[in-house]
Amino acid sequence: AQSVAQPEDQVNVAEGNPLTVKCTYSVSGNPYLFWYVQYPNRGLQFLLKYITGDNLVKGSYGFEAEFNKSQTSFHLKKPSALVSDSALYFCAVRVLKAAGNKLTFGGGTRVLVKP
Amino acid sequence: DTEVTQTPKHLVMGMTNKKSLKCEQHMGHRAMYWYKQKAKKPPELMFVYSYEKLSINESVPSRFSPECPNSSLLNLHLHALQPEDSALYLCASSSSPGTPFSNQPQHFGDGTRLSIL
Repeated sequence: AQSVAQPEDQVNVAEGNPLTVKCTYSVSGNPYLFWYVQYPNRGLQFLLKYITGDNLVKGSYGFEAEFNKSQTSFHLKKPSALVSDSALYFCAVRVLKAAGNKLTFGGGTRVLVKP
Repeated sequence: DTEVTQTPKHLVMGMTNKKSLKCEQHMGHRAMYWYKQKAKKPPELMFVYSYEKLSINESVPSRFSPECPNSSLLNLHLHALQPEDSALYLCASSSSPGTPFSNQPQHFGDGTRLSIL
């Protein structure tokens, strides 16, 4: 069965410092990996995805993520965090050829960027 | 602005009421989803419609009844809900025609916050 883990419930970072949100996955087969962000009282917004190709994926709002197959990780990064990046972040995986069109989400990581 | 529109934004209902949640998208997507989300938790998939046919039902209680009248609309009919059903209900859509379902991101609405008295 596929699963996604986000080992940190919360990440605190000062504005201007690098931000990293960790994600590891466990799947049978090739993973399709996604990052979403959720602001208070809003739905989830798509940030980026890894399907195949370059291990470094660039996405919206200056975010990027690095796919590491040997470590089964897909950590989200931003070189310089903004206060407005404070939100709830979800990593998700979909497995090729899995029944249906399902995402498995990690438990979420709350990011707090302090001025 | 979100491209998936959900109404109403908030709904308070008693356990004997019948109500419906509505979702609309005009991106030509062929897959639509209902999720339930509790506070500070990840969304839990409830239903998936592919090309207007129900393709996944995640063992959801029958008090939740989905309907897909056409390719742009998705409803969730509610009846005899329980207090534990109070949550944020999110609709999402994905996959334009001709694109693989499995590698397309889902686009979410802002949800309906449901409270059961």
